[in-house]
Amino acid sequence: DVKVTQSSRYLVKRTGEKVFLECVQDMDHENMFWYRQDPGLGLRLIYFSYDVKMKEKGDIPEGYSVSREKKERFSLILESASTNQTSMYLCASSLITGLTGNTIYFGEGSWLTVV
Amino acid sequence: KNQVEQSPQSLIILEGKNCTLQCNYTVSPFSNLRWYKQDTGRGPVSLTIMTFSENTKSNGRYTATLDADTKQSSLHITASQLSDSASYICVVFDRGSTLGRLYFGRGTQLTVWP
Repeated sequence: DVKVTQSSRYLVKRTGEKVFLECVQDMDHENMFWYRQDPGLGLRLIYFSYDVKMKEKGDIPEGYSVSREKKERFSLILESASTNQTSMYLCASSLITGLTGNTIYFGEGSWLTVV
Repeated sequence: KNQVEQSPQSLIILEGKNCTLQCNYTVSPFSNLRWYKQDTGRGPVSLTIMTFSENTKSNGRYTATLDADTKQSSLHITASQLSDSASYICVVFDRGSTLGRLYFGRGTQLTVWP
């Protein structure tokens, strides 16, 4: 089974702290994604990466950065956490998304609270 | 503007009953449509993927339909179980750009009561 593992399920951080959310996938997928999910808003794409060291902004990249130094690992960084970044963060991975049979696999989510 | 709209926003049914969830989209050019199930506090899990040429696809008690002409999809759940209580998310893939992108609906929250 494909596994997408997010290192932290629950985090509480203070405003202004630098926060790292780590994601690892074990299926040699090219694409990796970071989404945030808020009640009533659905999933919104923050950043995605289609190869090592490559990254593309999604719909809401402000306040975030990412790092992909190895194919299996995709990190989301909050340079200076703010309370409006309190949310559930979902990491996902897939083979080339354009191909019909390629499913997007999600991690279990990381609940971040910024106080 | 590419959008995915789901209805109803929430639904309560009794165990054993059937239900149908709706998804309308304006994403173009369309590539495929996916239904995901998300249990509370967990990540979404894929139920079905349907392409332009597919009208129906089943996965156990889940049956998805697609009408690419009217840009509508439905997810029918037969003989519901308590474990079906979850959010169901419709996702449409747009192949218009080099890498394509996914558009997510906001989900239908299904609650199954005993």
